[in-house]
Amino acid sequence: KQEVTQIPAALSVPEGENLVLNCSFTDSAIYNLQWFRQDPGKGLTSLLLIQSSQREQTSGRLNASLDKSSGRSTLYIAASQPGDSATYLCAGLNQAGTALIFGKGTTLSVSS
Amino acid sequence: NAGVMQNPRHLVRRRGQEARLRCSPMKGHSHVYWYRQLPEEGLKFMVYLQKENIIDESGMPKERFSAEFPKEGPSILRIQQVVRGDSAAYFCASSPPGLAGINQPQHFGDGTRLSIL
Repeated sequence: KQEVTQIPAALSVPEGENLVLNCSFTDSAIYNLQWFRQDPGKGLTSLLLIQSSQREQTSGRLNASLDKSSGRSTLYIAASQPGDSATYLCAGLNQAGTALIFGKGTTLSVSS
Repeated sequence: NAGVMQNPRHLVRRRGQEARLRCSPMKGHSHVYWYRQLPEEGLKFMVYLQKENIIDESGMPKERFSAEFPKEGPSILRIQQVVRGDSAAYFCASSPPGLAGINQPQHFGDGTRLSIL
């Protein structure tokens, strides 16, 4: 059974700092891994999708990497801003290709 | 291009009543997924549907819960005889046809917050 773990559960940093969010999964048989952002009381915004055959994806200040063999993904945020404050979720698409398996998220707070 | 639309945003029901949650996928999307987020827990998959077909309902409770995605109209998640433990945020996601979520990201709505009195 696929389990997704995110560390740390919460993170507070000053504005401008570069940071890394970690995601690990127990079953390497995933089709892809997706990173989301969730603001309080809101839905999920898709940030990056990494296919199982890819190693990383980049969008602006965000870079996500995937290492299937070790069961790890990281989300790197460069030059953090207060507007980056949110909960970041990673999710792996199960082997059947039908369901995303989510971690519990990392709640990020960036202070100005 | 409007995103995934869910309504209502908030729904209050008394124990024993029925709750109907609606989801209109993004234009051009024919795959719909429902997830539930319980307080202090992560999102959990419930069901995956294509037009008129349930593909995977492995995450849906066997009793009181049902889902449909008719040929015309939104997808409906129906909860009969609600109990306090059904209080949660219910999220719908959609993806385009073809290889579904394998090559395409799932796009989420803002959710329906269900409260049971």
